[in-house]
Amino acid sequence: SQQGEEDPQALSIQEGENATMNCSYKTSINNLQWYRQNSGRGLVHLILIRSNEREKHSGRLRVTLDTSKKSSSLLITASRAADTASYFCATTSNYQLIWGAGTKLIIKP
Amino acid sequence: DVKVTQSSRYLVKRTGEKVFLECVQDMDHENMFWYRQDPGLGLRLIYFSYDVKMKEKGDIPEGYSVSREKKERFSLILESASTNQTSMYLCASSFWTSGSEQYFGPGTRLTVT
Repeated sequence: SQQGEEDPQALSIQEGENATMNCSYKTSINNLQWYRQNSGRGLVHLILIRSNEREKHSGRLRVTLDTSKKSSSLLITASRAADTASYFCATTSNYQLIWGAGTKLIIKP
Repeated sequence: DVKVTQSSRYLVKRTGEKVFLECVQDMDHENMFWYRQDPGLGLRLIYFSYDVKMKEKGDIPEGYSVSREKKERFSLILESASTNQTSMYLCASSFWTSGSEQYFGPGTRLTVT
């Protein structure tokens, strides 16, 4: 069952700009994770935020979580061509991850 | 570095054939997963295993079976391949904690003709 829904489905920005993508989910969660998928490296874990955390940073990535709105956002600052990829959020239900359909991000040079 | 490998990157099979997809991880992870990925649908869980010889159905187990005889190896079997099983198949592994990070293999793109 699909829990997370990313928004927008596709995003195209200039290199150097910031990219923001959002994820909404339906049920209570233990944590929420963001993953990136590109043709070169496959699907790779980016960051995990627990349900009792509101914000987390990792390098150029900033993730926020609002459990009252059942939503999360991923901000990529100072985007680079290498950030071109699809980004997925996944929420934890028991021992499984439930995935959204992803946001396709294109960074234009 | 965690490594998850899958037996084939690309596979073409005929309708009705039995298909084996193999996945091996080298991090001594307890959990292993098989997903299929289709455009616009994200990842859908087919089966997962939390221990040797243990398996649990995911969201879309119909038409598939799995085998986990050794901790590092998790196989997905399509007993009689059909065209609607044409997809990207991804294997993943993780530690035995709820919702921990999953490590993915490169995927197998299966085409059934």
